[in-house]
Amino acid sequence: RKEVEQDPGPFNVPEGATVAFNCTYSNSASQSFFWYRQDCRKEPKLLMSVYSSGNEDGRFTAQLNRASQYISLLIRDSKLSDSATYLCVVSPGTASKLTFGTGTRLQVTL
Amino acid sequence: GAGVSQSPSNKVTEKGKDVELRCDPISGHTALYWYRQSLGQGLEFLIYFQGNSAPDKSGLPSDRFSAERTGGSVSTLTIQRTQQEDSAVYLCASSPRLAGWQYFGPGTRLTVL
Repeated sequence: RKEVEQDPGPFNVPEGATVAFNCTYSNSASQSFFWYRQDCRKEPKLLMSVYSSGNEDGRFTAQLNRASQYISLLIRDSKLSDSATYLCVVSPGTASKLTFGTGTRLQVTL
Repeated sequence: GAGVSQSPSNKVTEKGKDVELRCDPISGHTALYWYRQSLGQGLEFLIYFQGNSAPDKSGLPSDRFSAERTGGSVSTLTIQRTQQEDSAVYLCASSPRLAGWQYFGPGTRLTVL
């Protein structure tokens, strides 16, 4: 079983739609959680950290459920520029290696 | 520059040759990481440096892989006797000492013929 599992997609949605991605992780000792975004043939870029209390950054909302070992990302009012692969990432703590899911591909269309 | 830089951006080599990949982290970032991403695969951790020490080398796939970091800054990843399965994008990341997140460089795309 992979340490971080994600639905690979692709998710094809029209502009303006709301889309949600989920991932599960297997290591209950994980302490840090992130969503990264990766455009084709580019490096991953930090989108947002994820906290148990939930956090929002503009159109993006992330949520962590430690009991279920489940992380989510909600994107509202999708833009064409949101098209990318979204990587679910966990870590045992600060200054530690990141463990990546294989990513969920999002394609936003007109 | 303000970000993590890596060189070369692309490297094509013949099977059996040695290659060196370089990473310049963001100034002041004490932690440096190497990952690789093979075609269609997720990112795979290789090694982590805190300063010049490597407390976690658990991801290095074989003894053909080694890395060093000098002056708490630049790091070099060396692959000896390259094999075709070493073909991948090698990504370097850095972070401040107590941060959980990491900033990634643009990567070196290695192709072993």
